[in-house]
Amino acid sequence: DTAVSQTPKYLVTQMGNDKSIKCEQNLGHDTMYWYKQDSKKFLKIMFSYNNKELIINETVPNRFSPKSPDKAHLNLHINSLELGDSAVYFCASSPGGGRSGNTIYFGEGSWLTVV
Amino acid sequence: AQSVTQLGSHVSVSEGALVLLRCNYSSSVPPYLFWYVQYPNQGLQLLLKYTSAATLVKGINGFEAEFKKSETSFHLTKPSAHMSDAAEYFCAVKPGGFNNLIFGAGTRLAVHP
Repeated sequence: DTAVSQTPKYLVTQMGNDKSIKCEQNLGHDTMYWYKQDSKKFLKIMFSYNNKELIINETVPNRFSPKSPDKAHLNLHINSLELGDSAVYFCASSPGGGRSGNTIYFGEGSWLTVV
Repeated sequence: AQSVTQLGSHVSVSEGALVLLRCNYSSSVPPYLFWYVQYPNQGLQLLLKYTSAATLVKGINGFEAEFKKSETSFHLTKPSAHMSDAAEYFCAVKPGGFNNLIFGAGTRLAVHP
């Protein structure tokens, strides 16, 4: 069973469209994240939720809106897609509020291409 | 500010040779340190982590890393490279009290016959 699963894995869409990426974890973790990996493989956090509450919101355009309906799900909605949004988006989760040395577990990634 | 520097964006070794991937960190508080591996078109998999117990940490697939506070380093090693080790490797730091991983830029490991 996949611990952190995200869909779709591949997404090709046109500029200006709105799209969502869904994420679910079956590990019982309290904290979930969205990370972005750019074309140079650099990884950076976008958002973090703990028990459905937003606790990290990095400098991300407000076209990106995370939604956490429950602590097992954290979806990412992107409005008015731009070419620069093309990247790999990783969902992740960790136990215990994400603090201390707890491991962060990553999903397989969603490859978004905006044309 | 917390940061991670991985020296060498590309490392190439022969099969059977020693693998050494370098990582230096900067942290204002005691850090937790991680190494992740990413195979092509896949997610990130934890190799090992340092959480203030033993300074020499053993991970999966024969990898290990040593935490050296005096050098602010957490280099990853493997005595003998396999072809299957070819991947992107990321060092990351999680400063104590924070719940976010800060990643280095990654090192691509190539293994040739």
